[in-house]
Amino acid sequence: GDSVTQMEGPVTLSEEAFLTINCTYTATGYPSLFWYVQYPGEGLQLLLKATKADDKGSNKGFEATYRKETTSFHLEKGSVQVSDSAVYFCALSGGAGGTSYGKLTFGQGTILTVHP
Amino acid sequence: NAGVTQTPKFQVLKTGQSMTLQCAQDMNHEYMSWYRQDPGMGLRLIHYSVGAGITDQGEVPNGYNVSRSTTEDFPLRLLSAAPSQTSVYFCASSYREGGINEQFFGPGTRLTVL
Repeated sequence: GDSVTQMEGPVTLSEEAFLTINCTYTATGYPSLFWYVQYPGEGLQLLLKATKADDKGSNKGFEATYRKETTSFHLEKGSVQVSDSAVYFCALSGGAGGTSYGKLTFGQGTILTVHP
Repeated sequence: NAGVTQTPKFQVLKTGQSMTLQCAQDMNHEYMSWYRQDPGMGLRLIHYSVGAGITDQGEVPNGYNVSRSTTEDFPLRLLSAAPSQTSVYFCASSYREGGINEQFFGPGTRLTVL
């Protein structure tokens, strides 16, 4: 079945540091890939998405590129802020075609803490 | 639009009790899902629905029932609560457009089973 693997956390950075959170996936077909963010005490919010190979999703300074050859979707940000402290989830959907719409497969999440 | 709403926000149950977690969406989305979030395990799919009257099991369905009589509502029933069901529960809804399936999440219900 489909699966998503994220880098082990937690990740602790100083403000303005460069961020990379690794994400690799296993899926049949051509999944859509997502990064969700969860701020303390809140639900999940979509951060960015990509639907086909070589697509780059971007939002709020975060970027991720859909790499089919390496089955990866790593999240990057050039300069993190304290307000970026949150839990980040990589996820995929639709890997097996139409029957898998409505379902997301998540990675285990990576806790990011940014210090001033 | 209120988006996806969930009630209650917090709940404490005793082992063996039953309860229903409510979920509603006002975006006319065809797909709705229930997930549970446990530390170090991400979110795992419990049940999902691709439309009114149609439901299916996800990765961890045991101990939970769902039904979908309307497009808007997708309640999750715990039949006989167990401590292993202590978790945070998220409901989500989504639409399908051009092959993309973007899900919108509710704020969650934190459930403790004693």
